[in-house]
Amino acid sequence: QKEVEQNSGPLSVPEGAIASLNCTYSDRGSQSFFWYRQYSGKSPELIMSIYSNGDKEDGRFTAQLNKASQYVSLLIRDSQPSDSATYLCAVNRQNYGQNFVFGPGTRLSVLP
Amino acid sequence: KAGVTQTPRYLIKTRGQQVTLSCSPISGHRSVSWYQQTPGQGLQFLFEYFSETQRNKGNFPGRFSGRQFSNSRSEMNVSTLELGDSALYLCASSLEETGSGNTIYFGEGSWLTVV
Repeated sequence: QKEVEQNSGPLSVPEGAIASLNCTYSDRGSQSFFWYRQYSGKSPELIMSIYSNGDKEDGRFTAQLNKASQYVSLLIRDSQPSDSATYLCAVNRQNYGQNFVFGPGTRLSVLP
Repeated sequence: KAGVTQTPRYLIKTRGQQVTLSCSPISGHRSVSWYQQTPGQGLQFLFEYFSETQRNKGNFPGRFSGRQFSNSRSEMNVSTLELGDSALYLCASSLEETGSGNTIYFGEGSWLTVV
């Protein structure tokens, strides 16, 4: 079992719809969780971080964390063609310092 | 505020050679980490440096090494290059904070091709 798994893509949604991206992790001791977006040929850029159970909203993005189920999700409301990218779920193994484990990514296509 | 800067952006090397990549973190960031990204293996953690000391290390062979300078700038070196080392090498920096968090911000990366 991989440490961080994501739902296999590609995921296609029509413009204006809600895109739902899922991620599970195996290390129950993980404390911090992140979503990054990566356009083709570019480096990952941070969308959101989440540390506590529940929902965290930032504009059109909502991250959800359930530590008991070891599950993290990202919802993108009112999806736009510019949201078409690969979304990477990341978990920091360390409480002190950096040792990030990334999922394989889910490719999202938003169709006009 | 300037972002994470990596040089060179693109390079081609021959098998058996060595390569050094450079990274300047965001001003004020003291932690620098390195990642390798390939289509087959995805994004994998190499190592992290803080206060000129390697603090965390991923599961890569000893051919991969790094260092950090007193101004937080970092370099990574790969010796005896293999074809499988062809990848995007990403540097990330973080503002060291206590407790959980420590969001990392990536540079644009260095594309290494080994022929």
